[in-house]
Amino acid sequence: EPEVTQTPSHQVTQMGQEVILRCVPISNHLYFYWYRQILGQKVEFLVSFYNNEISEKSEIFDDQFSVERPDGSNFTLKIRSTKLEDSAMYFCAARDGRIKLFFGSGTQLSVL
Amino acid sequence: QKEVEQDPGPLSVPEGAIVSLNCTYSNSAFQYFMWYRQYSRKGPELLMYTYSSGNKEDGRFTAQVDKSSKYISLFIRDSQPSDSATYLCAMSRGEGGNEKLTFGTGTRLTIIP
Repeated sequence: EPEVTQTPSHQVTQMGQEVILRCVPISNHLYFYWYRQILGQKVEFLVSFYNNEISEKSEIFDDQFSVERPDGSNFTLKIRSTKLEDSAMYFCAARDGRIKLFFGSGTQLSVL
Repeated sequence: QKEVEQDPGPLSVPEGAIVSLNCTYSNSAFQYFMWYRQYSRKGPELLMYTYSSGNKEDGRFTAQVDKSSKYISLFIRDSQPSDSATYLCAMSRGEGGNEKLTFGTGTRLTIIP
């Protein structure tokens, strides 16, 4: 069983629409992250989340992005009004506090 | 100058060869150095990590860090076709907790049977 499960694996949306990407880490994970990888580019940090609040965010993570963990299980990334340049693979990651960071298999987001 | 630079390849070597993968970095605050392996359409998976300068060996894999040169390497001995993947170097200032990772672009490696 994977440590981090992401859904959906693929998401296609129209520009300007809202999308929610979901992640389910295992129960002993305490620190949560979203990274993204634009095709052919490096994996980039978006945001880290601990104790129900954002710890750090990158300049990519502007007002169009938000994260939450409403039920203590699912960890979500919301993009309020998608842009073409938001098309990327989005990875959720989690750790229990030690160095090993577990990544999900990713959600490929395509904005048309 | 980019924080972390990595030759994207692609790199193709015959089975059994020794593979050398490298990254350079500019931020002297980095203390932890990691190598991740990423198969197509999958998330990165941690191979090994090293703290500060030095070597670390795990089976056929050896990681080296030279902080004075801001240069890290991953060596794969007796390479196998199953080692074909993209290898990402990653770095952080701290060990765990909230620390974010800064990645290189990844090197695509193919081991030819």
